[in-house]
This record gives sequence, C-alpha cells and structure tokens, in this order.
Amino acid sequence: AQKITQTQPGMFVQEKEAVTLDCTYDTSDPSYGLFWYKQPSSGEMIFLIYQGSYDQQNATEGRYSLNFQKARKSANLVISASQLGDSAMYFCAMRPLNTNAGKSTFGDGTTLTVKP
Amino acid sequence: DGGITQSPKYLFRKEGQNVTLSCEQNLNHDAMYWYRQDPGQGLRLIYYSQIVNDFQKGDIAEGYSVSREKKESFPLTVTSAQKNPTAFYLCASSSGTTKINEQFFGPGTRLTVL
Repeated sequence: AQKITQTQPGMFVQEKEAVTLDCTYDTSDPSYGLFWYKQPSSGEMIFLIYQGSYDQQNATEGRYSLNFQKARKSANLVISASQLGDSAMYFCAMRPLNTNAGKSTFGDGTTLTVKP
Repeated sequence: DGGITQSPKYLFRKEGQNVTLSCEQNLNHDAMYWYRQDPGQGLRLIYYSQIVNDFQKGDIAEGYSVSREKKESFPLTVTSAQKNPTAFYLCASSSGTTKINEQFFGPGTRLTVL
C-alpha cells in the first residue's frame, strides 16, 4: 500500500521569499514517481513537477524544485521567490511506474498563503 | 486546443436519484481516472480505465459505476447507493507513453445532494 503524508495543513510566506512544503511517503514499489500539483480556488489541478525514484538529480521547473531524499522517503517542494498567484492548495502524489495507469495516491494537501 | 472537459460544472441531485457526470478528452490518452475530493482533503480514486472496454475499481468505488465505450469518454454515474455523494469530482487522463506519465485533470464537477 502507498501512503503520502503532508504534515502542514496551512503555510504562510511573505511575497518574494522561498517556502518549503513537506511531503513524506511510504511504498513497497521499487519504482515510483512523485508528483506535485497546485489547486487554485477554482478547483483545477495543475501539474508542477515530477521526480522519478531512480533519478539521480533533484527535479527543477522554473521557480519549483523538488528536494528528494530517498533514504528518508521525503519529496519536499521548494517554491522560490513566492508570488501572490502562488496562493493555492498543493498536493503531493505518488504512483508506481511499473504500469501504464498505476493508481495514484494523494496527500491531504497544504494550503499556501502568500502575503504581500 | 487539447484538453479534458467535464460537465456540468455544478450539479444538484435529490436523494435517491442517479446522476451521470461527463468526462471527455481529446488528448488521445489511453488511461482515464475519476477522483473524489471532499473539503480540505486530498483526492481519492473511484475508478480508472487503462483501455477501452476495461476499467478497475479504485479505493472508494462503492455506490459508483463507470463505462468506457470510447477512448475519449469516461462517464461516471453516482447511484442512489452512494450514501454521501456531495463532493467535488475530478476526471483525469494520462498517455501511458511518456516517462513522466503525468495526469491531466479536467475542471471538475461539484455535486450537491439536496
């Protein structure tokens, strides 16, 4: 069974500062992918960044980076230079990679509020 | 433009009625998914389909049914057997052919039982 834990229900950050959203996971699958999604108040889910379990380097996508520590089973999202538009709910998710449509498991999310 | 559409955006249902939520994609993706989201919580998988005419139960399939007669369509029926159907429903798809194989989501349907 897979499990994703996001321990921060809510986070605040000052505009232009960096913020880290925590995510820990548990799985017995040897090959898996870790995903972060952003959900604005409108409800749609926006894919942000991906990290494969065998990737040697931490993933980066613009202002988003993923601090992947495999031994600690953590995949924290770092947002640099926060903007007001970053205010949203953020979800960490995991999926095994040995199937085309493996079941994804989502955490309960972290609500990020960026203060001007 | 390619994407996923869900209709309706808002849906109201009386207790005891079945309702069907529409999900259509023109991304030529093989896999499609239905998730349920309750306020302040994450997504829970209801059903998923890897190929036409085949689908599997997710973690909370009871009270729901699906069909996959066409590649681009994956409708979800919320039956009267679902005891607490008020929630936000999200449909997603993935290609299964890319390394990342990320899921693309529709805008969602908010279902309220009156």
